[in-house]
Amino acid sequence: AQSVTQPDIHITVSEGASLELRCNYSYGATPYLFWYVQSPGQGLQLLLKYFSGDTLVQGIKGFEAEFKRSQSSFNLRKPSVHWSDAAEYFCAVGGLTGGGNKLTFGTGTQLKVEL
Amino acid sequence: DGGITQSPKYLFRKEGQNVTLSCEQNLNHDAMYWYRQDPGQGLRLIYYSQIVNDFQKGDIAEGYSVSREKKESFPLTVTSAQKNPTAFYLCASSIRQLNNEQFFGPGTRLTVL
Repeated sequence: AQSVTQPDIHITVSEGASLELRCNYSYGATPYLFWYVQSPGQGLQLLLKYFSGDTLVQGIKGFEAEFKRSQSSFNLRKPSVHWSDAAEYFCAVGGLTGGGNKLTFGTGTQLKVEL
Repeated sequence: DGGITQSPKYLFRKEGQNVTLSCEQNLNHDAMYWYRQDPGQGLRLIYYSQIVNDFQKGDIAEGYSVSREKKESFPLTVTSAQKNPTAFYLCASSIRQLNNEQFFGPGTRLTVL
């Protein structure tokens, strides 16, 4: 069964500081990996995705993530955080299995930005 | 503009009543999904449908029902059998078999009094 672990429930960073959110996954084949962001009371917005190819993927809002197969990780990074980045971030894994187009989500990391 | 619409944004119901949450998409996507979100638990899949007139149970289907009579619409009914229905409900859609990327609606917050 596929699973996603986001070990950090809450993270606080100062505005302008760098950010790394951790994501570890378990999947039996080549995974498709996603990072979504959610503002309070809103739906999820896709930040970036990895399907194949270059293991460093660029997303919207200055975010990037690196796929490391040997570590089963897909950590999200941003060089300089802005106050507007405060939100909840979800990592998700899926793939072309018999289960169809299902994604499995992590429990999320709440990001707080101090001014 | 193409997108996913969920209505209403906020919904209040008395305990023991069934309630139906609306989800409509004009993205021409084949697949649609319903998730439940509770604090600290991430998103849990309730039901999903990959094609009209067909749907499958997700991880937490008990106490819920769905229908998929039209490609654009995937309503979710929260029945009185759902023991703890108060939650934030998210609808999503995707192009079937296109790398699983899902697009989300704005959500409906259901409160059962």
